[in-house]
Amino acid sequence: KAGVTQTPRYLIKTRGQQVTLSCSPISGHRSVSWYQQTPGQGLQFLFEYFSETQRNKGNFPGRFSGRQFSNSRSEMNVSTLELGDSALYLCASSLGTRETQYFGPGTRLLVL
Amino acid sequence: AQKITQTQPGMFVQEKEAVTLDCTYDTSDQSYGLFWYKQPSSGEMIFLIYQGSYDEQNATEGRYSLNFQKARKSANLVISASQLGDSAMYFCAMREVPAGGTSYGKLTFGQGTILTVHP
Repeated sequence: KAGVTQTPRYLIKTRGQQVTLSCSPISGHRSVSWYQQTPGQGLQFLFEYFSETQRNKGNFPGRFSGRQFSNSRSEMNVSTLELGDSALYLCASSLGTRETQYFGPGTRLLVL
Repeated sequence: AQKITQTQPGMFVQEKEAVTLDCTYDTSDQSYGLFWYKQPSSGEMIFLIYQGSYDEQNATEGRYSLNFQKARKSANLVISASQLGDSAMYFCAMREVPAGGTSYGKLTFGQGTILTVHP
């Protein structure tokens, strides 16, 4: 069974631009969560989606948004990029919200 | 307050020896889950092992075992017979289930421990 896939794997943007990251969960998984990883803050929870509904949101500004489609694929969007948004963005999927999360390879975003 | 504490920024172990990575946690919930993930330099988080708060037996998965001491709020990872491929960052994480809560997916991570296995 294929694992979690994330596209793109690497991305370079400039301040003020916006970016959309995509996550395809493991087949059959209905829950998708997003995390941001930076050297300074470590791993921080962004949001969690289940059945196209956002179930939980982390402490991030409104510039960070996401959505989940009927096939459980998820996208996250960051508008008006700031230098501090440079990070590894990890997506994780699970069968349900109570199940073990399996992570994708991440998208490395660099904001210049 | 930090909910997951990993006090060892770095650990070194000789190949084929066992190593213990420490993790303590803080929660007031009765129901919670504890996880260990491995992150190689490639970045992907690899699930290793899970322990539920109501599980009486320590979890084991191959060379990985979780030393769960509920009263001390610790969930240490033990890797037996270390291999060179075990060199990576290791994260302890917790999923809380607050009373009456409907969302279970959020994981809170510790700062990680870098493990280096020497030949």
